[in-house]
Amino acid sequence: SQTIHQWPATLVQPVGSPLSLECTVEGTSNPNLYWYRQAAGRGLQLLFYSVGIGQISSEVPQNLSASRPQDRQFILSSKKLLLSDSGFYLCAWSRGRDFYTDTQYFGPGTRLTVL
Amino acid sequence: QQQVKQSPQSLIVQKGGISIINCAYENTAFDYFPWYQQFPGKGPALLIAIRPDVSEKKEGRFTISFNKSAKQFSLHIMDSQPGDSATYFCAARAIIQGAQKLVFGQGTRLTINP
Repeated sequence: SQTIHQWPATLVQPVGSPLSLECTVEGTSNPNLYWYRQAAGRGLQLLFYSVGIGQISSEVPQNLSASRPQDRQFILSSKKLLLSDSGFYLCAWSRGRDFYTDTQYFGPGTRLTVL
Repeated sequence: QQQVKQSPQSLIVQKGGISIINCAYENTAFDYFPWYQQFPGKGPALLIAIRPDVSEKKEGRFTISFNKSAKQFSLHIMDSQPGDSATYFCAARAIIQGAQKLVFGQGTRLTINP
């Protein structure tokens, strides 16, 4: 079976500091990978997605960037955090093929607080 | 056109009652409609999903009803239990450039009173 991991689970960072959040998927190959942000009490906003190693599509221009150095690894980064970057960050994966009944499966999330 | 509108924003149901959450969409390119359940501090978990060529899908106490002509779909939770208290998100999927894009509703906070 497939498993998705995210770390850290929680993070408190000062404004202006860098950020690196990591997501890894086990039990599948060539997944599509996604980063979402969820503000408190709000819906999910797609930030980035990737259909393969080194391929990143950005949905919303902002202070963040993403990279996919390995097939099952997805990293969310920032050089300088803003207060508005606080939120719950979710990584998700999908199979990337056989779309008929496939959908996205989410990780446990990282709670980021920027002070 | 990319929006999915979800209602109500919050819902309180007595234990044993039926919880109903509704969603509507405009984009006919959407081809799959999952529902997610999210508990506080956790990632959303896939609950049930339906294709638009099916009018109803049932899994245990959870049923999706789908009306393709009206571009509406709904989640029914029968015999609602306190453990069902969570936030529910409907979503609609489109395949764009080889990737799945999910458009989410704004969520419904469901509370089941014992």
